[in-house]
Amino acid sequence: GAGVSQTPSNKVTEKGKYVELRCDPISGHTALYWYRQSLGQGPEFLIYFQGTGAADDSGLPNDRFFAVRPEGSVSTLKIQRTERGDSAVYLCASSPPASGGGDTQYFGPGTRLTVL
Amino acid sequence: LAKTTQPISMDSYEGQEVNITCSHNNIATNDYITWYQQFPSQGPRFIIQGYKTKVTNEVASLFIPADRKSSTLSLPRVSLSDTAVYYCLVGDNDKLIFGTGTRLQVFP
Repeated sequence: GAGVSQTPSNKVTEKGKYVELRCDPISGHTALYWYRQSLGQGPEFLIYFQGTGAADDSGLPNDRFFAVRPEGSVSTLKIQRTERGDSAVYLCASSPPASGGGDTQYFGPGTRLTVL
Repeated sequence: LAKTTQPISMDSYEGQEVNITCSHNNIATNDYITWYQQFPSQGPRFIIQGYKTKVTNEVASLFIPADRKSSTLSLPRVSLSDTAVYYCLVGDNDKLIFGTGTRLQVFP
C-alpha cells in the first residue's frame, strides 16, 4: 500500500510570504504528526493529531505556525509571514489506531522549505 | 520524556556486526525503546522496538538489560547501504523526541 506522501517535495518562498504544506497519511491511520528537521539535527516535534483534533501542539514554535486536519485524514501545515529561520525539512508521520504498547510512526519523505 | 544519549558517530566495514548503545537513565515504567534509521533526504524509518530483554526481527536485534537504563541496537553483517543515522528514542506513544542520533558510516 501507499506510504505517507507529502507535497510539495520542495518549496522556495520569500521572507514574509505564506506557505501551506500538505500531508496524506496512510489510509486508516488515526494519528498524524508534524516534525521539522534542520540540517544535522534530529526531527523536532511540532504537533500531533488524533482524528481531527490537535491532541498536542506544544511543539509549534509560535503563532505563525498552524495545522489543520478537518476530516481526520489529510493535514495541512500553514506558516504565515515566513522567516529565514523557518527553512528546514518538514516531516509528516502517521500511525495506526493504538494496539497497546508503543506505536510505530511511518514517516513521509518530507517537504524541504527554503525561505529566501 | 526520557532523554537519550548515544555516540555521535561510528565507523564499520562491510560484513561486520555493529552495536550501537544508547543510555536512557530516566526511562519511565511505561516507556518503550524504539530505534529509527534515516537516510539522507528521507524520513526516519522504524527499525525495531522493545520493552525488555531481547527483541529480534529481520533487520536487527535489540538488547535491553533488566534495569532498562540502556539498550543496544545490533546490526548483523552491515553493508554499504546501512550507512545512515540511527536514532534511539524512549517514550510511551504520541510525540517522538529525537536526539542527534548516531551517524554510522560503513566502508567497503
